[in-house]
Amino acid sequence: QVHLVESGGGVVQPGRSLRLSCAASGFTFSSYALHWVRQAPGKGLEWVAFISYYGSNKYYADSVKGRFTISRDNTRNTLFLQMNSLRAEDTAVYYCARGGSYSDYWGQGTLVTVSS
Amino acid sequence: QSALTQPASVSGSPGQSITISCTGTSSDVGAYNYVSWYQQHPGKAPKLMIYDVSNRPSGVSNRFSGSKSGNTASLTISGLQAEDEADYYCSSYTSSSTYVFGTGTKVTVL
Repeated sequence: QVHLVESGGGVVQPGRSLRLSCAASGFTFSSYALHWVRQAPGKGLEWVAFISYYGSNKYYADSVKGRFTISRDNTRNTLFLQMNSLRAEDTAVYYCARGGSYSDYWGQGTLVTVSS
Repeated sequence: QSALTQPASVSGSPGQSITISCTGTSSDVGAYNYVSWYQQHPGKAPKLMIYDVSNRPSGVSNRFSGSKSGNTASLTISGLQAEDEADYYCSSYTSSSTYVFGTGTKVTVL
């Protein structure tokens, strides 16, 4: 069965960096586009970034453009999110999700807290 | 990238039908048939309920249905059950090749 497991979250100071990972199993990783979606505490879902099958196309929300970088390693079945210049408003649970125009499988999320 | 507009809350009694609206623009909901709906219970990951406006994934109850008219998409839950109480989010592809979620709707079963 399909599994997506995020890791790398934690507490980080404003202005610092963090790299999230999402390990995938149970499907042909390179055949699917992927997303990062986040949810601030008590708030709604916010789309963060998208990457195509082989990583040639990447798109970002305006709120993270220029600070976050999405990437993938199809040999390791892993999705990444490099987050730089973190701000308090980046505090959220970060989910990875499989799919293009819709996401049929989601991970359980990893919490990122940006605080001094 | 403004969030799609959903009502903050919708409620209904068991067995009733409710409809959640999702209003966007001609650059997102109105432009593409790439609207999806997600159910989220507290502390859980979102679950896909409807994709491409009106398609239901395998395993999702046929009590859930989706539609679209112009810039507004809708999710209807018929025969409301206690387990349907959750937050619901719509999502759409946009003309900027990005995606946007709705503001979310809390469904309460009375």
